[in-house]
Amino acid sequence: DTGVSQDPRHKITKRGQNVTFRCDPISEHNRLYWYRQTLGQGPEFLTYFQNEAQLEKSRLLSDRFSAERPKGSFSTLEIQRTEQGDSAMYLCASSRTSAGGEQFFGPGTRLTVL
Amino acid sequence: TQLLEQSPQFLSIQEGENLTVYCNSSSVFSSLQWYRQEPGEGPVLLVTVVTGGEVKKLKRLTFQFGDARKDSSLHITAAQPGDTGLYLCAGRDGRRGGSEKLVFGKGTKLTVNP
Repeated sequence: DTGVSQDPRHKITKRGQNVTFRCDPISEHNRLYWYRQTLGQGPEFLTYFQNEAQLEKSRLLSDRFSAERPKGSFSTLEIQRTEQGDSAMYLCASSRTSAGGEQFFGPGTRLTVL
Repeated sequence: TQLLEQSPQFLSIQEGENLTVYCNSSSVFSSLQWYRQEPGEGPVLLVTVVTGGEVKKLKRLTFQFGDARKDSSLHITAAQPGDTGLYLCAGRDGRRGGSEKLVFGKGTKLTVNP
């Protein structure tokens, strides 16, 4: 399978703990995106990378959130001091660098903060 | 802020019926993508429309992009239970130098009853 993969698929944590999610994009895609989706809503943009450079961050991405893509391949999204409001599906997508580059999504990581 | 409004929010129909889902905005988009999402999974790309007035067909699904690139519709002919899911439209910023992020609607939850 050469699609976008995410790990873990599910994460349950207690409030105040730190969590880290991983995303492996489609191999020839050099753009990688993170989105967050809460119940009853469409995905909301968090941040995106072109190769290893983080080019855009949403205001939704508070200082407790950090994303990295150190070698321009896989990416990690870390949430520090989790809050119950962080409970959501975290989605990763990747695309080529081209006009209209279509974004292909992974299966997501479902985070539950107790 | 670019927004996409989808309607209806919920749709429950019988197998064999036809339906149309709408996606509207006051903003211009460079492209618009339609996704289908199953519970607990990431969105799966169905189609991308780029040119104003463009019509694309995917088996029983017909997608149209408005002439002004501000709206789109998805029409399903002879719906089947396998069409059940959440249909999301997502647009890319049409402005010069605009963001690469996708702006999503809240989705239309379709249930096709056998």
